[in-house]
Amino acid sequence: GNSVTQMEGPVTLSEEAFLTINCTYTATGYPSLFWYVQYPGEGLQLLLKATKADDKGSNKGFEATYRKETTSFHLEKGSVQVSDSAVYFCALNPGGFQKLVFGTGTRLLVSP
Amino acid sequence: DAGVIQSPRHEVTEMGQEVTLRCKPISGHDYLFWYRQTMMRGLELLIYFNNNVPIDDSGMPEDRFSAKMPNASFSTLKIQPSEPRDSAVYFCASSFGTGGSSPLHFGNGTRLTVT
Repeated sequence: GNSVTQMEGPVTLSEEAFLTINCTYTATGYPSLFWYVQYPGEGLQLLLKATKADDKGSNKGFEATYRKETTSFHLEKGSVQVSDSAVYFCALNPGGFQKLVFGTGTRLLVSP
Repeated sequence: DAGVIQSPRHEVTEMGQEVTLRCKPISGHDYLFWYRQTMMRGLELLIYFNNNVPIDDSGMPEDRFSAKMPNASFSTLKIQPSEPRDSAVYFCASSFGTGGSSPLHFGNGTRLTVT
């Protein structure tokens, strides 16, 4: 079946530190991969996506590369800010008319 | 574009009461999703619609839960009777397609507390 596994949180960092949030997936076929972010008191919103192997999605200083050989889509940012504190969800879409499959979410806490 | 609009933002009710959550999707979107989020179980998909027709309701926890989409601009999620374990944040989301080529747009959720 289709599934997404994320690292457990919370991830606690100081401002300007390097961020990695791990995400691996299991899927049949060639899924599209996504990172969604949920800020406090809000719904999820798309952060970035990649639709095929070796694609790199990027937005707001965040990046993730679709690695088919390791079935991974790790989220990275070179220098986090306090405003990046949120919950980050990795997700995949198997294709066709199948629904999105979300991971369990990873909470990021950034302190000044 | 006003985004996905959910109401109410907060709902506090007593056990046994009927609760109705409302959602107005983004105009033109053909899919609508209802999710529930709790600390214990994370984000759960309850049901989704395509062109107002329910496609998959396998995530609806019990017969106490029901969802309708009478037209393209309105959907409801009803819980009758409500129980304390239904306390959660309920999100509605809409999209073109199932979220593959275009993203899901989420509302800001309804925080339900059942006492």
